Amino acid sequence: DVQMTQSLSYLAASPGESVSISCKASKSISNYLAWYQQKPGEAYKLLIYSGSTLQSGTPSRFSGSGSGTDFTLTIRSLEPEDFGLYYCQQYYEKPLTFGSGTKLEIK
Amino acid sequence: QVRLKESGPRLVQPSQTLSVTCTVSGFSVTSYHVSWVRQPPGKGLEWVGAIWKGGSTDYNSALKSRLSISRDTSKNQVFLKMNSLQTDDTGTYYCASLSGYFDYWGQGVMVTVSS
Repeated sequence: DVQMTQSLSYLAASPGESVSISCKASKSISNYLAWYQQKPGEAYKLLIYSGSTLQSGTPSRFSGSGSGTDFTLTIRSLEPEDFGLYYCQQYYEKPLTFGSGTKLEIK
Repeated sequence: QVRLKESGPRLVQPSQTLSVTCTVSGFSVTSYHVSWVRQPPGKGLEWVGAIWKGGSTDYNSALKSRLSISRDTSKNQVFLKMNSLQTDDTGTYYCASLSGYFDYWGQGVMVTVSS
């Protein structure tokens, strides 16, 4: 199975700051990488797929980069509604696997 | 508007069978793949399995022997059945539309396995 590693389990930042969340795959997954956001009481939301393609409705302050094994989700100029949990997921091969998540909290 | 909603028991006894229903609106389950994902409390996400739009299924090999995913196209519903439940099967079970990545998710149903 492809192991997905999000090295930071917790990240604190202030509104207006920019943050980056990393995700590393145990083998090359090309750009078959998605990012999700979860906020309490809400359904998971797809933010980015194919490593860098914004899902419809995802604000442009979100961006994704990387290919192969190393990927990054960047959020520019954090808004209060951006705080929550972020997960990466590979869909290069089955079983589909997820990173362990990064919790982004308000500093 | 795409919507997926899970329904099922909140409490299941060990060794029993879990049955969860995903009711889909906004797309046909014959036009889109649907998948199940679960999340133990405080832990990460685990892909459980999927039913493809053509009706074939795929399961996480770690769970395959205990799993069954099926659908009722007339009701636009997808079903998850998992038998021989143990306490580590406790968690939130989500259904989601699947394009490789998970486009849309339900809110999930929290299932506790306990006697």
